[in-house]
Amino acid sequence: DVKVTQSSRYLVKRTGEKVFLECVQDMDHENMFWYRQDPGLGLRLIYFSYDVKMKEKGDIPEGYSVSREKKERFSLILESASTNQTSMYLCASSLSRAGNEKLFFGSGTQLSVL
Amino acid sequence: DQQVKQNSPSLSVQEGRISILNCDYTNSMFDYFLWYKKYPAEGPTFLISISSIKDKNEDGRFTVFLNKSAKHLSLHIVPSQPGDSAVYFCAAKTGGYQKVTFGTGTKLQVIP
Repeated sequence: DVKVTQSSRYLVKRTGEKVFLECVQDMDHENMFWYRQDPGLGLRLIYFSYDVKMKEKGDIPEGYSVSREKKERFSLILESASTNQTSMYLCASSLSRAGNEKLFFGSGTQLSVL
Repeated sequence: DQQVKQNSPSLSVQEGRISILNCDYTNSMFDYFLWYKKYPAEGPTFLISISSIKDKNEDGRFTVFLNKSAKHLSLHIVPSQPGDSAVYFCAAKTGGYQKVTFGTGTKLQVIP
């Protein structure tokens, strides 16, 4: 089975800190995604990557950047954390761009910015 | 601009009865639709999908119906079980493109 691993389950950071969220998948998937989940807003796409060093903005990219230096690893970076970035962050991967290709998710990182 | 909407934030159903979760979309380019289930403290897991060339897809107790003209889909769970209690997300994508757009979710509670 596909495994998507997020490095931290809980993180507490201070406003203005630079924050790195790491995600690793073990199934040689082409695509990787970062979502955030907030009550009443569902899952919103921040960024995704379709190949090494390739990335595309999602629906809410402001305040975030990403890095994909190796196929199995996708990092989300908060350049200067703010309280409105307190959220559950979910990483996902998918094998290809085929229509019915499903996403495999990690367990999430609950980030609190104080 | 919410392209995928789940207008019911929550739903309670008795064990053994049918659960119906609804989803509406606005983007006519979407041609694949997926449902995911999420338990607390876990990532979402894939449940069932349907392509726009079909109007129904079944997998055990789960059936998804698609009404393209109304841009509406629904997930039916029959019979509902307490273990089905979770948040259900509807998602949509355009074939050949990686991006997946999710709805706001419906929290289902199945009462024993």
